[in-house]
Amino acid sequence: QKEVEQNSGPLSVPEGAIASLNCTYSDRGSQSFFWYRQYSGKSPELIMFIYSNGDKEDGRFTAQLNKASQYVSLLIRDSQPSDSATYLCAVNTDNFNKFYFGSGTKLNVKP
Amino acid sequence: GAGVSQSPSNKVTEKGKDVELRCDPISGHTALYWYRQSLGQGLEFLIYFQGNSAPDKSGLPSDRFSAERTGGSVSTLTIQRTQQEDSAVYLCASSLGGTTGYTFGSGTRLTVV
Repeated sequence: QKEVEQNSGPLSVPEGAIASLNCTYSDRGSQSFFWYRQYSGKSPELIMFIYSNGDKEDGRFTAQLNKASQYVSLLIRDSQPSDSATYLCAVNTDNFNKFYFGSGTKLNVKP
Repeated sequence: GAGVSQSPSNKVTEKGKDVELRCDPISGHTALYWYRQSLGQGLEFLIYFQGNSAPDKSGLPSDRFSAERTGGSVSTLTIQRTQQEDSAVYLCASSLGGTTGYTFGSGTRLTVV
């Protein structure tokens, strides 16, 4: 069973703060890691992906990957109320581009 | 098309009836995926297509579920003899293949009463 674990939250942060979202995965052979944002009642949208150990930055978002510890995280700097959503971690472990999704962490950014 | 299109957006059906859900992927996307999401839950993988073939059907929950893809484009997910536990949002996604991210459609909300 390939598992992707996320704290369901809600994670509440004040506007302007850094939000830190974490994800752990069970399959050490996992190769690629994606973060999706899902607003209530909407479908997920891709916001970040990372393949290699270390950090990857894109605007206010930074993805961090540590394969030895089998965790991936997403940092959101200068959090805005519009960032309030559920963030889904997705992990790929094979060549078929099939992703296993965590159940998501709900983020609330308070004005 | 510009995005992944799913129809219908909502479907209410009686227990025991068959339903068909349609997905029209982004033009040129060779890979197509079906997931379902129950209320407050994560995404559950159902089936994956590369072109018209389905190398991975491992997620289909029972033999009541089937899917096909024709012309390397439109896919139909069929649920026979629907049960109440089939109620969920069924999401279709497509990608260029390889290890790339998905683009999701807006989903079909299925309610079995």
